[in-house]
Amino acid sequence: DGGITQSPKYLFRKEGQNVTLSCEQNLNHDAMYWYRQDPGQGLRLIYYSQIVNDFQKGDIAEGYSVSREKKESFPLTVTSAQKNPTAFYLCASIGQDEQFFGPGTRLTVL
Amino acid sequence: AQSVTQLGSHVSVSEGALVLLRCNYSSSVPPYLFWYVQYPNQGLQLLLKYTTGATLVKGINGFEAEFKKSETSFHLTKPSAHMSDAAEYFCAVSFNDYKLSFGAGTTVTVRA
Repeated sequence: DGGITQSPKYLFRKEGQNVTLSCEQNLNHDAMYWYRQDPGQGLRLIYYSQIVNDFQKGDIAEGYSVSREKKESFPLTVTSAQKNPTAFYLCASIGQDEQFFGPGTRLTVL
Repeated sequence: AQSVTQLGSHVSVSEGALVLLRCNYSSSVPPYLFWYVQYPNQGLQLLLKYTTGATLVKGINGFEAEFKKSETSFHLTKPSAHMSDAAEYFCAVSFNDYKLSFGAGTTVTVRA
């Protein structure tokens, strides 16, 4: 089955630690996205990549970093510079004018 | 810059009643329009989309939406609510640049 996988589903981090969220897709899509979801605020775009080895900042990129070394993979690193990282993170890819979403990772900073 | 407004953060309906979720966008050019549904702790699932052509769009699970350019609206409706429709719904727009802008979401509860 084609789709997007995110791991882990739940992640706990101590303050001051970097953490990497995984996103893998087997849909053969060129473009991939990372969103952050907070209650009452909808989804906000963190980073996106339209092709391998290239990516652009979204609306709230500060404190985050990404890489796109393979078409299938678009990992997101939440760095210690992100002041309020506790949130639900969603990865997506696009095909046929439609974005397909992964199941999400819930990050909690302790 | 474009924006998306969903009127009402919470909507409560009785089972079997009409579901109406409102979405307005601000833009000088017609965007692509989407409605997504999200169940707790899950990703988003596309309900329906409008890109071009017929302005009344039918989606999954009995939902439909109508694009009204003069009103810059894309309201989502379902004639008869089911308990399984309880979820959060998001309206989104894009301008063929493959980036989506989302509304804040509307949580639907269904009363038995």
